[in-house]
Amino acid sequence: AQSVSQHNHHVILSEAASLELGCNYSYGGTVNLFWYVQYPGQHLQLLLKYFSGDPLVKGIKGFEAEFIKSKFSFNLRKPSVQWSDTAEYFCAVMGTDKLIFGTGTRLQVFP
Amino acid sequence: DGGITQSPKYLFRKEGQNVTLSCEQNLNHDAMYWYRQDPGQGLRLIYYSQIVNDFQKGDIAEGYSVSREKKESFPLTVTSAQKNPTAFYLCASSRQSSYNSPLHFGNGTRLTVT
Repeated sequence: AQSVSQHNHHVILSEAASLELGCNYSYGGTVNLFWYVQYPGQHLQLLLKYFSGDPLVKGIKGFEAEFIKSKFSFNLRKPSVQWSDTAEYFCAVMGTDKLIFGTGTRLQVFP
Repeated sequence: DGGITQSPKYLFRKEGQNVTLSCEQNLNHDAMYWYRQDPGQGLRLIYYSQIVNDFQKGDIAEGYSVSREKKESFPLTVTSAQKNPTAFYLCASSRQSSYNSPLHFGNGTRLTVT
């Protein structure tokens, strides 16, 4: 059965700090991986996605993620966070016909 | 503007009552989904539908029911059989239920059952 694990439940950073949020998935077939973000009071929106090709994918607002097949990982990174990045971040894997989400990571960025 | 509309934003019900949450989309998407979001548990799939008049159970379908009579609409009924109905419910849609169609989400309905 496919599953997604996000190890960091709550991350607190100061502005300009670097960010890396962990995501590991469990699925035997070809995977498609996503990161979604939910800003306070807003709906979930797509941050970036990986289907194939270059394992380093770039998304909106300076975020990127690296797909490492051997580690079953798809970690999210940003070199320098801003206060406006405060949000909840969800990693997700699309296996057969449905999208499975991780438990989410709440990121708080202080100025 | 195209999008997904969930209504109402907040819903309060007494225990033992069934309640229906509305989800409408004007994106011409084929697939629609219902997720439940609880603190520390992420989003869990309740039901999904890939085409009109067809739907499948997700991971936590017990106590819920859905219908898909129109492409645009995918209402979710929370029945009295659902043991812990108080939660935040999210509806989503995608162009097709396939590997590379990202989901578009509504703003959610927060249901409180007392």
